[in-house]
Amino acid sequence: DTAVSQTPKYLVTQMGNDKSIKCEQNLGHDTMYWYKQDSKKFLKIMFSYNNKELIINETVPNRFSPKSPDKAHLNLHINSLELGDSAVYFCASSQGQGVGYGYTFGSGTRLTVV
Amino acid sequence: AQSVSQHNHHVILSEAASLELGCNYSYGGTVNLFWYVQYPGQHLQLLLKYFSGDPLVKGIKGFEAEFIKSKFSFNLRKPSVQWSDTAEYFCAVNAENTGFQKLVFGTGTRLLVSP
Repeated sequence: DTAVSQTPKYLVTQMGNDKSIKCEQNLGHDTMYWYKQDSKKFLKIMFSYNNKELIINETVPNRFSPKSPDKAHLNLHINSLELGDSAVYFCASSQGQGVGYGYTFGSGTRLTVV
Repeated sequence: AQSVSQHNHHVILSEAASLELGCNYSYGGTVNLFWYVQYPGQHLQLLLKYFSGDPLVKGIKGFEAEFIKSKFSFNLRKPSVQWSDTAEYFCAVNAENTGFQKLVFGTGTRLLVSP
């Protein structure tokens, strides 16, 4: 049983296209996140949702739109893809926020924009 | 700005050498501290975490880390590395003064262990 699953694992697409990445967690966690890992391996938070409510939008271009239909799912839709969007996108979840709450990460989606 | 610093960007060791990777953070107040490992082509795996209590934390695969509050540090150690420890290592922090709302990562340390 995969705790945090992302699909697809690899995504190759042309500039200007629109694509979505899906994330699902079966841990019963309340909070979900999207992180971006760039070509230099730097990991930065993009979005955070708690019980379907947006908590953090970390100065991400509005071409990126997260959607959380329920607390077990957090999808990421990207419009008008650009070369600079090429990265590995990680979904994560946590049971709560505060002392003692850890994170579980998905296996990542490698997006390549050509 | 609040941040997490990993000063060693690349570390090269021979097998059986001892390892220490530095991590410093600039957040005040209560913090949760983590070390993650990313093996080539793979996802993030949790090595160990510190929430409270004993500042010396033991994790998987023989790794340990020590939280020194006065130095704002959480250095990762392993007495004897193996070739299979070749990976990218990330320190991460979430902090009370950001409402524990986000996990902030350091820039990572690439470890290469030669056989």
